[in-house]
Amino acid sequence: DGGITQSPKYLFRKEGQNVTLSCEQNLNHDAMYWYRQDPGQGLRLIYYSQIVNDFQKGDIAEGYSVSREKKESFPLTVTSAQKNPTAFYLCASSTGDGFSSYEQYFGPGTRLTVT
Amino acid sequence: DQQVKQNSPSLSVQEGRISILNCDYTNSMFDYFLWYKKYPAEGPTFLISISSIKDKNEDGRFTVFLNKSAKHLSLHIVPSQPGDSAVYFCAASAPRGGGNKLTFGTGTQLKVEL
Repeated sequence: DGGITQSPKYLFRKEGQNVTLSCEQNLNHDAMYWYRQDPGQGLRLIYYSQIVNDFQKGDIAEGYSVSREKKESFPLTVTSAQKNPTAFYLCASSTGDGFSSYEQYFGPGTRLTVT
Repeated sequence: DQQVKQNSPSLSVQEGRISILNCDYTNSMFDYFLWYKKYPAEGPTFLISISSIKDKNEDGRFTVFLNKSAKHLSLHIVPSQPGDSAVYFCAASAPRGGGNKLTFGTGTQLKVEL
């Protein structure tokens, strides 16, 4: 089955701790993305990567970090510097070439709660 | 600065009738538009898209209309079914080379009633 997996589904952390959210895809897509969704708001782009070993900040990158060491994997670390980390986090991927398709495929999401 | 706007947070429609979801955008550089459907606690799933060179695209019960001069697009669902009840997001993409980045609207919660 081709797709995107995010784990875990629910994650709880204490304030002040860093936490890493997993995202893996077996679609052979070059581009990967991280979004967060808050109630009443759309999906906001945190970071994206068009190719291995390269990534760019999105609209709300402060307090987050990413790595892209493998094509299949794009983990997101929510650091203690992120002021409002509690949210629903979504990972997505696309072919990334910008010619064949703009469509992004999403994982099931991770609900992070920080108390 | 909200470049993609969905001004109706919610919409209620009777089963069998038409659902019309609206989306407005401000960035004239957007040239490709998509609609996604999302159930609670799940990732969005792609529904239908349209390129700026077209004004209509149809796929089964779903039709997207694009009015470039008004910077407006709409999604029509006919006939509406209870399983269509979900949040619908409009998204837009700038020209090639932008990393396929999508800008999303805030979503419209559609409820299809029996």
